[in-house]
Amino acid sequence: GEDVEQSLFLSVREGDSSVINCTYTDSSSTYLYWYKQEPGAGLQLLTYIFSNMDMKQDQRLTVLLNKKDKHLSLRIADTQTGDSAIYFCAECEGGSYIPTFGRGTSLIVHP
Amino acid sequence: EPEVTQTPSHQVTQMGQEVILRCVPISNHLYFYWYRQILGQKVEFLVSFYNNEISEKSEIFDDQFSVERPDGSNFTLKIRSTKLEDSAMYFCASSQKESVRNTIYFGEGSWLTVV
Repeated sequence: GEDVEQSLFLSVREGDSSVINCTYTDSSSTYLYWYKQEPGAGLQLLTYIFSNMDMKQDQRLTVLLNKKDKHLSLRIADTQTGDSAIYFCAECEGGSYIPTFGRGTSLIVHP
Repeated sequence: EPEVTQTPSHQVTQMGQEVILRCVPISNHLYFYWYRQILGQKVEFLVSFYNNEISEKSEIFDDQFSVERPDGSNFTLKIRSTKLEDSAMYFCASSQKESVRNTIYFGEGSWLTVV
């Protein structure tokens, strides 16, 4: 079955860039997602990328996809304290509309 | 912005007791989901529901679990006889369409502690 792995914690200084990494096993993944969970809130879709793309940029967010290595990353430029949250990587395998999630990476932004 | 709401936010129950977790999906959504996350582990898919029936379920969703849409607005998850390993955060979600490009909206979660 499909599997999604990500590191549990990332600590960055305010103003620096954050890079959250994710690896997945399913080569038939069609869509890959990044969700954000702020304290006391539900998972919120941040961005997604289709598997035929290498990169997607949306304001401070850059998603990079390396299909050969099955590696997905989320870069947050100029990280702010408000970016502190848990970031979940997720993927949908071909034919499924139900995302498979990782454990989530806790991003801690300190002054 | 419309949101998925869940109640209770936290419930403590004794092993063997029945628990019902409630969700109000976004009003014009047609697809409903339950996920759970055991502390420190991955967010796991439990079940999806459409047109008043289960459309897909995972291995976790055994006979102890059931879902229901009793009144056209609520979507419930029932655990018949809770076990210690059912302790987890349970997330309800909904979407307008069944599509990988369609956004799934999640609630804040219901934290279930089985003692």
